[in-house]
Amino acid sequence: DAGVIQSPRHEVTEMGQEVTLRCKPISGHNSLFWYRQTMMRGLELLIYFNNNVPIDDSGMPEDRFSAKMPNASFSTLKIQPSEPRDSAVYFCASSSGLAFQFFGPGTRLTVL
Amino acid sequence: AQKVTQAQTEISVVEKEDVTLDCVYETRDTTYYLFWYKQPPSGELVFLIRRNSFDEQNEISGRYSWNFQKSTSSFNFTITASQVVDSAVYFCALSGYQTGANNLFFGTGTRLTVIP
Repeated sequence: DAGVIQSPRHEVTEMGQEVTLRCKPISGHNSLFWYRQTMMRGLELLIYFNNNVPIDDSGMPEDRFSAKMPNASFSTLKIQPSEPRDSAVYFCASSSGLAFQFFGPGTRLTVL
Repeated sequence: AQKVTQAQTEISVVEKEDVTLDCVYETRDTTYYLFWYKQPPSGELVFLIRRNSFDEQNEISGRYSWNFQKSTSSFNFTITASQVVDSAVYFCALSGYQTGANNLFFGTGTRLTVIP
C-alpha cells in the first residue's frame, strides 16, 4: 500500500503566484482532509471531503484558498494569489469511515 | 466545542527514564475518539493509537502505554525506558463520533527530547 501521496514535497514561490498542492488518498478511503501546520497556529483543518463532496470548509482562511476533489483518487488545494503568511506545511490525510486518519508526508510551502 | 490541551510544551529526559505526556480534552459529544500521533524530526505524522470513549481500559504496546480517564477528561501517554528515537513532537487529538468523515482537533503538541 503506497499510503497517502502528496506532491510536491517542497515548494518555493514568490508572493502573488498561484500554488497548487496535490494529494492522492489511499485507495478505498472515502474521506480526505487538508490540514495546515504552522508554528503559530499548530495543526488546523482547512477542509474535508466525504465521497468527493466538501463537507466542511470553515477552516479555509480566505477566498484565496480553494480545494477540489474531482474523483476519489485525487484532490488539489490551490492558493491564488499566494502570500508570505501562507508559508506552512500542508498535510493531506485520508480515512475510511470512522477509522483513524492516515497522513501524507506533507508539502512544505515557502512564499517569498 | 472540541478542545485538546497539552500543557507541556517541551520535555527533556535522559535515556531510559520514563516520561508521561499529558492530554486533557473537552467535548460535548457523549461518544468520541481520542488519538495520539507522533511527528519525528522528518516531519511526517505517525499514528500511534485510537481510543473510543466507550473503552476506558488502559492499553500497552511495547514501551508505550495510555491511560484514559473519562472522569478527568484525560488521555495520558507514557513511554517507559525512553530512547533517543522517541525524540519527537507528540500530538493528542480528538474526533467526534459521526457517520461519515470525522475531523481531528489537535492539541498544540509536546516536544520530547531524549538525551543520550
